[in-house]
Amino acid sequence: GAVVSQHPSRVICKSGTSVKIECRSLDFQATTMFWYRQFPKQSLMLMATSNEGSKATYEQGVEKDKFLINHASLTLSTLTVTSAHPEDSSFYICSARDSGNSYNEQFFGPGTRLTVL
Amino acid sequence: GQNIDQPTEMTATEGAIVQINCTYQTSGFNGLFWYQQHAGEAPTFLSYNVLDGLEEKGRFSSFLSRSKGYSYLLLKELQMKDSASYLCAVLDSNYQLIWGAGTKLIIKP
Repeated sequence: GAVVSQHPSRVICKSGTSVKIECRSLDFQATTMFWYRQFPKQSLMLMATSNEGSKATYEQGVEKDKFLINHASLTLSTLTVTSAHPEDSSFYICSARDSGNSYNEQFFGPGTRLTVL
Repeated sequence: GQNIDQPTEMTATEGAIVQINCTYQTSGFNGLFWYQQHAGEAPTFLSYNVLDGLEEKGRFSSFLSRSKGYSYLLLKELQMKDSASYLCAVLDSNYQLIWGAGTKLIIKP
């Protein structure tokens, strides 16, 4: 099946710093990637939809200036958490939709656990 | 609004069968997915239904009734490793996934 990688898998940072998370589709092209956040014991919350070559579409309540998304190629999207605070500590998961897959299935990366001290 | 309902938690015995239900109300329908998520890990794909009926894949089966806005995931011959959260998600008319809150399945020996 299609593989999505995510880097880093775990990051601990100080409050006020910025953290960049990369999401790559390894064996397929993804015109659309999705960024989710999941707090403990809660379901996935879609933060934004990332489209290659255009601006991301953010969900209501998600600050676009705080969560910067760049989808510069068909295999890479990045999420930058700017000026991170402890409340941003969460499990961030990306997924990618295979452009050539009629299922419209989303393939998930392994996730990035962010801890802001 | 869009809504997906599934039970919060279920408990079953190793070797038994369990059915996890999911009802949905969405703007349009382009398919329903079931994902499995172990604690601290990303979701993994289990099944996809877009037509009515039962799809069987090994110990797991998924059923869909579009007229009733209803699906279930059936797990047979339960194993301890099946302890996880099971997420129901519907692809709406904009091809956006609408997620249920997930059902935590606890398997007891």
